[in-house]
Amino acid sequence: GDQVEQSPSALSLHEGTGSALRCNFTTTMRAVQWFQQNSRGSLINLFYLASGTKENGRLKSTFNSKESYSTLHIRDAQLEDSGTYFCAAGYQNFYFGKGTSLTVIP
Amino acid sequence: EAAVTQSPRNKVTVTGGNVTLSCRQTNSHNYMYWYRQDTGHGLRLIHYSYGAGNLQIGDVPDGYKATRTTQEDFFLLLELASPSQTSLYFCASSDRGDTQYFGPGTRLLVL
Repeated sequence: GDQVEQSPSALSLHEGTGSALRCNFTTTMRAVQWFQQNSRGSLINLFYLASGTKENGRLKSTFNSKESYSTLHIRDAQLEDSGTYFCAAGYQNFYFGKGTSLTVIP
Repeated sequence: EAAVTQSPRNKVTVTGGNVTLSCRQTNSHNYMYWYRQDTGHGLRLIHYSYGAGNLQIGDVPDGYKATRTTQEDFFLLLELASPSQTSLYFCASSDRGDTQYFGPGTRLLVL
């Protein structure tokens, strides 16, 4: 079975609102990464966490290795935030979730 | 930020054909990776390497060979391409097996 489960699989947000994306892991993971895949298909690294919380602008991510999950919070969503968000967990060899497709609506 | 380039960006071949995908990174990262991305599967690791001459098998290695000739260059080889290998291929690099930086991807179509 999949080692990394992402939810929701799809999400629509109105501009200016926010939400949380979640990844659950079926085994203990040493680190997590979050990526955005934009409309051109490029994969952009948003965060790498071995523990705790990181914040960058309107994005915040938390990694709880003991409870085997990570979250990505988006606040004040903008149109350019649309895309697919992936989490990947592990160390050296990372397992990817299947992604959350985010659509930001004007 | 790491610079990872891939070539070609698009490739069409026939079943049984021989294909080489190239990846170069210019920040002297130790780790390099090859993934394939397919609808419904996310990204799946084919092979990775932690240095020149090293090769590690990933999760979906069947039908693929890889070679890391230098610190900068990592190649993915499909010696007998099959339609099931039609996919979007990404290369990535990281310094110590941590933060990964991805190339722009190569679209491969096997007819």
